[in-house]
Parts: sequence; structure tokens; C-alpha cells
Amino acid sequence: RKEVEQDPGPFNVPEGATVAFNCTYSNSASQSFFWYRQDCRKEPKLLMSVYSSGNEDGRFTAQLNRASQYISLLIRDSKLSDSATYLCVVNRNSGNTPLVFGKGTRLSVIA
Amino acid sequence: GAVVSQHPSWVICKSGTSVKIECRSLDFQATTMFWYRQFPKQSLMLMATSNEGSKATYEQGVEKDKFLINHASLTLSTLTVTSAHPEDSSFYICSAGGALKYLEQYFGPGTRLTVT
Repeated sequence: RKEVEQDPGPFNVPEGATVAFNCTYSNSASQSFFWYRQDCRKEPKLLMSVYSSGNEDGRFTAQLNRASQYISLLIRDSKLSDSATYLCVVNRNSGNTPLVFGKGTRLSVIA
Repeated sequence: GAVVSQHPSWVICKSGTSVKIECRSLDFQATTMFWYRQFPKQSLMLMATSNEGSKATYEQGVEKDKFLINHASLTLSTLTVTSAHPEDSSFYICSAGGALKYLEQYFGPGTRLTVT
């Protein structure tokens, strides 16, 4: 089983739509969880950290279920500029340890 | 957010030559930096963990004699691809963590290496 698994998509949605991405991770020792965004041929950029209580940043909402080892990202009112690959990321263990990346979910928002 | 730079942003070299990539944390000190590699349409794969003042820790399957990592200061780590081959052509990205918020990592812009 891969350490971090995501549906690769692509998800093609119209502007204004709500879209949700899911991710599962295999290492129960992981302590930190993130969603990164990566545009074509660019480096990943941190979108948001994911906390156990769930957290929201504008149109983006992230949820974590430790028991199921499941992470989600919800994007409301999609914009054309949201088109990118969204990477589910966990750290390998606690502390400042390497990040493990999912393959990413490709989102295309269409006018 | 924290700023991490990489140089060069892209490089083309001939097979058999060596290429050095620099990764700098510009506004914070990074005791640990990470080097990743990404092939087209693949996820980022960790190559090694670079610790300031000590030897790097390499992931399984990554040749430490081919990918030389030096982390001589708290703001600079270098990756040297020795005797490069076309299969080493990839997107190399470094990251540094623990800057503004503990456990978050910030990535350099990446270096696209093409070996001909």
C-alpha cells in the first residue's frame, strides 16, 4: 500500500462548482498533514495545513480523520485560477521530518 | 511565507558531466533541508535529508556517491549530480522547514535538469 494515496482525477468542473478531494495515508505515526498546490512545471506551494478539528481558509476547507487515516479538501465556488494539481502531504513521523507526497489530484475549472 | 531559492532554475548538460544545484533559505536558518526529485506526471520523491554539519541521509535506492549533498551552513545546501546521464533528467526541488510554523516546509522553485 502506498504511503499516501489520492484519486489522480482529472476533475473537470465548471466555475462556481464545489469539488472535494480525498486522500488516505498508511502511516499511523504521521503527525502533520497538508494540502499543497502545484502548477505545471512549478514547485509545490503550501495551500493549508490540516488540523484534527478541521480548518477553513476562505473557500477551502480541510478535514482530518485520524481513526480512518483520511484527509479531505473541499473547494467552494471554484475559480478558473484554482486549476492545478492538489497534493496530499503527510510527514513521515513527528517533528521536522521528510514529507511524503501523494501523486496529486488534477483539477481543471472550466468557464 | 519563508523564502527558499534555488540556482540554477534550469540547466542542460552533456552526459558524463557534473552539475551542482544550490538551495538557499533566504530569511531563516534551516538546520534541515530536503531534496526531492519529480519525473513528469509523477509525485515528488524524497532523495535525501540534508543536515547542517553532518552527512546526509539518503533514501533507499538513491546512490549517495552519485548525488553528493553538502550542507555546510544553516542557509545553504548543495546537490551535485555527478557523471550525469539522460535518465537523471528531472525536476529537482529542495525544501526547508521549521521556519515560520513548525513542521511546515517551504520549497525552492526547483531546478530542471536536462542531460543530453
